[in-house]
Amino acid sequence: DTAVSQTPKYLVTQMGNDKSIKCEQNLGHDTMYWYKQDSKKFLKIMFSYNNKELIINETVPNRFSPKSPDKAHLNLHINSLELGDSAVYFCASSQDRGEREQFFGPGTRLTVL
Amino acid sequence: GDSVTQMEGPVTLSEEAFLTINCTYTATGYPSLFWYVQYPGEGLQLLLKATKADDKGSNKGFEATYRKETTSFHLEKGSVQVSDSAVYFCALILNTNAGKSTFGDGTTLTVKP
Repeated sequence: DTAVSQTPKYLVTQMGNDKSIKCEQNLGHDTMYWYKQDSKKFLKIMFSYNNKELIINETVPNRFSPKSPDKAHLNLHINSLELGDSAVYFCASSQDRGEREQFFGPGTRLTVL
Repeated sequence: GDSVTQMEGPVTLSEEAFLTINCTYTATGYPSLFWYVQYPGEGLQLLLKATKADDKGSNKGFEATYRKETTSFHLEKGSVQVSDSAVYFCALILNTNAGKSTFGDGTTLTVKP
């Protein structure tokens, strides 16, 4: 059983397009996250939701908009894609917003041409 | 702000060699500390953790001890295998910071037969 799943696994698109990445966790966790990992493997948190409430919103262009329809799902919508958005995006979840381990999804590799 | 500094990579070792990856942190409180591992093409997974000073986390032959006096959490393994080749991330979480994780830059380990 997949604990944290993301779709799609690969996404190739043109500059200027709008795209979405979906994430679902079946662990019953309250808190979910989006991370961006660049080509040098640096990992940067983008957003975090706790029980559908946004609790972490890092300095991210407002072209990126997270949406949490329920606590098991956290989607990421990106408008007007740019070349610099090319990266691997990871969804993660944790039991709550405390000092807990995070469970990561397999990642979505986004390539903007 | 909080930060994690990891030993720069890449690190290349022969099978059965001893591994140390250094990790030091700066935090405004007493965080929980984690080591995550990322195998090629996958998401991060927890390797081990420690939640208070002098705790030792261990898993799969890897160990790390939470040293408050030196603000360190160095990862060690006595005898590495080819299958340990991966990227290793040190991370901290502070309860007072909405559960936001701070990750190091990652250290790439390659083990040669």
